[in-house]
Amino acid sequence: NAGVTQTPKFRILKIGQSMTLQCTQDMNHNYMYWYRQDPGMGLKLIYYSVGAGITDKGEVPNGYNVSRSTTEDFPLRLELAAPSQTSVYFCASSYLGPDGEAFFGQGTRLTVV
Amino acid sequence: TQLLEQSPQFLSIQEGENLTVYCNSSSVFSSLQWYRQEPGEGPVLLVTVVTGGEVKKLKRLTFQFGDARKDSSLHITAAQPGDTGLYLCAGYTGGFKTIFGAGTRLFVKA
Repeated sequence: NAGVTQTPKFRILKIGQSMTLQCTQDMNHNYMYWYRQDPGMGLKLIYYSVGAGITDKGEVPNGYNVSRSTTEDFPLRLELAAPSQTSVYFCASSYLGPDGEAFFGQGTRLTVV
Repeated sequence: TQLLEQSPQFLSIQEGENLTVYCNSSSVFSSLQWYRQEPGEGPVLLVTVVTGGEVKKLKRLTFQFGDARKDSSLHITAAQPGDTGLYLCAGYTGGFKTIFGAGTRLFVKA
């Protein structure tokens, strides 16, 4: 039972570099989400998707982009990485929508130096 | 800005003790969820409460939703080392607005 799989688990980026955080789920969920988790703060929603081809901004979208070409995959793109983007990123999916049970990946710990 | 305050932020107790953690807000929630997160892992849902005053039990864990749906508590009876983790509450206000608390980090010593 794979659930939600994120890669990579760890990454160090230099300021100004770009990267894509990969997320895939095998539960056929329409709803997918990207969150960031910072010390002492609650999870913040970056972007979400309600199905293939449909994405929308969450609470903290600046500096990020997403795409959803298939039901399974929801990659998060960081362009021109900044130290403020140092965080742990979680991808999640749900069947019933934002008030339903969310299944989270293991996270990607990103450090921008 | 809507906030969800969790207290205490950190709790270290001996195995067998009871504890309660709290989640408070000035916002009214349609539903509230509790998650547990272990180091290096994503959060895992424990329970969803929907009705004001609702009480749900999950083995030694008891969850209560406040009557006004602005607050919630999690009570653990006879804590065990396996209960160690970060407990997060998340309040849903509608649309795609879910507010997460910063969490209570629990450490249960054997």
